[in-house]
Amino acid sequence: DAGITQSPRYKITETGRQVTLMCHQTWSHSYMFWYRQDLGHGLRLIYYSAAADITDKGEVPDGYVVSRSKTENFPLTLESATRSQTSVYFCASRTGVQETQYFGPGTRLLVL
Amino acid sequence: AQTVTQSQPEMSVQEAETVTLSCTYDTSESNYYLFWYKQPPSRQMILVIRQEAYKQQNATENRFSVNFQKAAKSFSLKISDSQLGDTAMYFCAFSGPSYNFNKFYFGSGTKLNVKP
Repeated sequence: DAGITQSPRYKITETGRQVTLMCHQTWSHSYMFWYRQDLGHGLRLIYYSAAADITDKGEVPDGYVVSRSKTENFPLTLESATRSQTSVYFCASRTGVQETQYFGPGTRLLVL
Repeated sequence: AQTVTQSQPEMSVQEAETVTLSCTYDTSESNYYLFWYKQPPSRQMILVIRQEAYKQQNATENRFSVNFQKAAKSFSLKISDSQLGDTAMYFCAFSGPSYNFNKFYFGSGTKLNVKP
């Protein structure tokens, strides 16, 4: 029972490069989410998806792109990475709008 | 936009004692959800407890209980019989408005240290 996985777990990149963070869940949950966690800010919602091909912006979407062609995958792309995007990124999923979110283990991203 | 405030950046408690973590939020909505999440050093986010705003009864989960004061927009977490494994960051979170429960807002966290 893999649950929800994220890859890579650690990533170092340079300013201006494109980076894609992967999120995969084995539960067939309808809803998926991407958050970033920074000191002093807790978690902030970047994007979420209610189903395949349905995505919407969260609190801090600028500089990020998402897609969801399959229910189980929800990749997050930084099209041109900036130092301010250095953070820990968490993916989450849940079955329904009133159900519990389950979080992945996180991806630590460093942009030099 | 909704906001969530945790005014205690760090707290300590002796093992077996009780501790209360504070959380306040700001919203004009009447229907929403509130949550407490635990993040141990492993960084895994774990749901501790959740409260539906339209339910007046305070939620409880074993040693964890909340004091939900809707009018005051307060949502505190009480941990009874604290254990060493409770050492973690604790985040308060809000989900709403009612037409979009997919919007989550988190507080900045309280670091809880349980001392032996």
